[in-house]
Amino acid sequence: KQEVTQIPAALSVPEGENLVLNCSFTDSAIYNLQWFRQDPGKGLTSLLLIQSSQREQTSGRLNASLDKSSGRSTLYIAASQPGDSATYLCAVFNAGNMLTFGGGTRLMVKP
Amino acid sequence: GAGVSQSPSNKVTEKGKDVELRCDPISGHTALYWYRQSLGQGLEFLIYFQGNSAPDKSGLPSDRFSAERTGGSVSTLTIQRTQQEDSAVYLCASSFSLKSYEQYFGPGTRLTVT
Repeated sequence: KQEVTQIPAALSVPEGENLVLNCSFTDSAIYNLQWFRQDPGKGLTSLLLIQSSQREQTSGRLNASLDKSSGRSTLYIAASQPGDSATYLCAVFNAGNMLTFGGGTRLMVKP
Repeated sequence: GAGVSQSPSNKVTEKGKDVELRCDPISGHTALYWYRQSLGQGLEFLIYFQGNSAPDKSGLPSDRFSAERTGGSVSTLTIQRTQQEDSAVYLCASSFSLKSYEQYFGPGTRLTVT
């Protein structure tokens, strides 16, 4: 059974810092990995999708990497801003046709 | 274009009543998914549809839960004889097809069973 772990569970940083969120998964037989953002009381917003054959994806200040063989992904956020404050969720899509989610990292960026 | 929509956004019901939750996927998306997000459990998968077919119902928490999809579009998740442990946010997502495609989520339905 696939298990996804995110570290740290919570993170508080001053504005302008570069930061890294970590995600690990136990079964490397995945089709893709998605990073999401969730604001309080809201649904999930997709940030980046990495296919199993890819090593990284970039969107603006966000960069996500994937090392499928070691079961790891990182989300790098450059020059963090208070508007980046949210919960970030990592999820893997594998056999069973479903996303398995990590517990999330709750990020607060202080002005 | 329009994203995934869900209704109602909030539902408060008494224990023992039946509820029906609705999901409208993005037009043209053949795959549709239901997830549940609760405080103690995080985000858990419930069921997926490819077209109108749901080949695997094993993710549904109990036989009080059922789901259907008609016309390859709208889906409804029905919970019969609701219990307090059913209280959660129910999220729907759709994607162009299965496996390699990005899933887009709706805003969710917050269900509270009193």
